[in-house]
Amino acid sequence: EVQLLESGGGLVQPGGSLRLSCAASGFTFNNYAMSWVRQAPGKGLEWVSVISSTGSNTYYADSVKGRFTISRDNSKNTLYVQMNSLRAEDTAVYYCTKFRLSGWLDDAFDMWGQGTLVTVSS
Amino acid sequence: DVQMTQSPSSLSASVGDRVTITCRASQDISNYLAWYQQKPGKVPKLLIYTASNLQSGVPSRFSGSGSGTDFTLTISSLQPEDVATYYCQKYNSAPWTFGQGTKVEIK
Repeated sequence: EVQLLESGGGLVQPGGSLRLSCAASGFTFNNYAMSWVRQAPGKGLEWVSVISSTGSNTYYADSVKGRFTISRDNSKNTLYVQMNSLRAEDTAVYYCTKFRLSGWLDDAFDMWGQGTLVTVSS
Repeated sequence: DVQMTQSPSSLSASVGDRVTITCRASQDISNYLAWYQQKPGKVPKLLIYTASNLQSGVPSRFSGSGSGTDFTLTISSLQPEDVATYYCQKYNSAPWTFGQGTKVEIK
């Protein structure tokens, strides 16, 4: 069974940093691109970042570019996002998602983790 | 960047009704379009990919159509368990933009 388990969320002050992790199991992690998607309280889905299966290609939404860094450790089947210079508007549930097809970036997200809540507030 | 616009933002329909949600892309995205369902308090779930392909396990009352800039999600006979917010998403290239969502309720 495919599982994605996020961790690392919590309360952080504006300007602070946080690193989220996503532990993957049930599939060959190093064959799949991965993504982070967030959802502010009561709002819609916002794509945040994508990383290719090898980690050689990364993509970011304009809203987080220069502040967030996506990475992965294929030896640990784990996806990360380092979030710096956090703002109140970064407050959201952050979901780890898996691309549907192995090796593809032009594809839908077929599996989602349960999400981890990040709250940016003083 | 390509913008994704859904309509309506919300709708209320009776059990058994046929429901249609529209998603429009600001540029041609071919058929690189997915639909997701998010039930209240739950994680989003992939319903349809490549505009019209039903994800495994999704009831056949859901269908998708369209290509280029105009897409639709249809629920042929609305059921109480279909109460949810539905999102479209483009994935032909970065960014992987979502529509703003359509909230479906039972009348």
